[in-house]
Amino acid sequence: NAGVTQTPKFQVLKTGQSMTLQCAQDMNHEYMSWYRQDPGMGLRLIHYSVGAGITDQGEVPNGYNVSRSTTEDFPLRLLSAAPSQTSVYFCASKATPTGTNSPLHFGNGTRLTVT
Amino acid sequence: GDSVTQMEGPVTLSEEAFLTINCTYTATGYPSLFWYVQYPGEGLQLLLKATKADDKGSNKGFEATYRKETTSFHLEKGSVQVSDSAVYFCALRNYGGSQGNLIFGKGTKLSVKP
Repeated sequence: NAGVTQTPKFQVLKTGQSMTLQCAQDMNHEYMSWYRQDPGMGLRLIHYSVGAGITDQGEVPNGYNVSRSTTEDFPLRLLSAAPSQTSVYFCASKATPTGTNSPLHFGNGTRLTVT
Repeated sequence: GDSVTQMEGPVTLSEEAFLTINCTYTATGYPSLFWYVQYPGEGLQLLLKATKADDKGSNKGFEATYRKETTSFHLEKGSVQVSDSAVYFCALRNYGGSQGNLIFGKGTKLSVKP
């Protein structure tokens, strides 16, 4: 029962470096999303996808890119990391974009530090 | 836009104490309301939900009632345990206002002492 798998668990980057945070789900969920969690800020939506080939921006999309080439995978790319992107990142998925009875399933997070 | 406001933490209680974590929301239309829990080092898990006014969500001894007249969804538990120590997030989903994405409050950290 893998659910939502995020890799890596921890990452340290230098300012200006690029990297990709991986997210995969094995539940055939249509909807996938990325949140960042910061102290005192709760969770804020970065990008989301309602199906393969479809992505859209959330509340805080600047500095991040996403793509959804398959149903299973939803990687988050940082093209040029900045200290303000130091955060814990969560990927989450649910069966359908709409439908109240479809709960959001979260991965265990990636803790990113940008120095 | 839609928003969720929950009481600031941290909250520290003794085992078997009564818990209330306040949550109020602002949204157009008829949002669904949720409580999620995050245990240390883990992602969030759905604790309970309510989809319409006066619904009561319940799970693991926790309860919350959807009060449209006061735009509230307060979380309660009659007798907390050390194992309830976690961060609790109130959230809403409003298809009219936020394309069905979850909007979270800032979280309330609960510590239960033996």
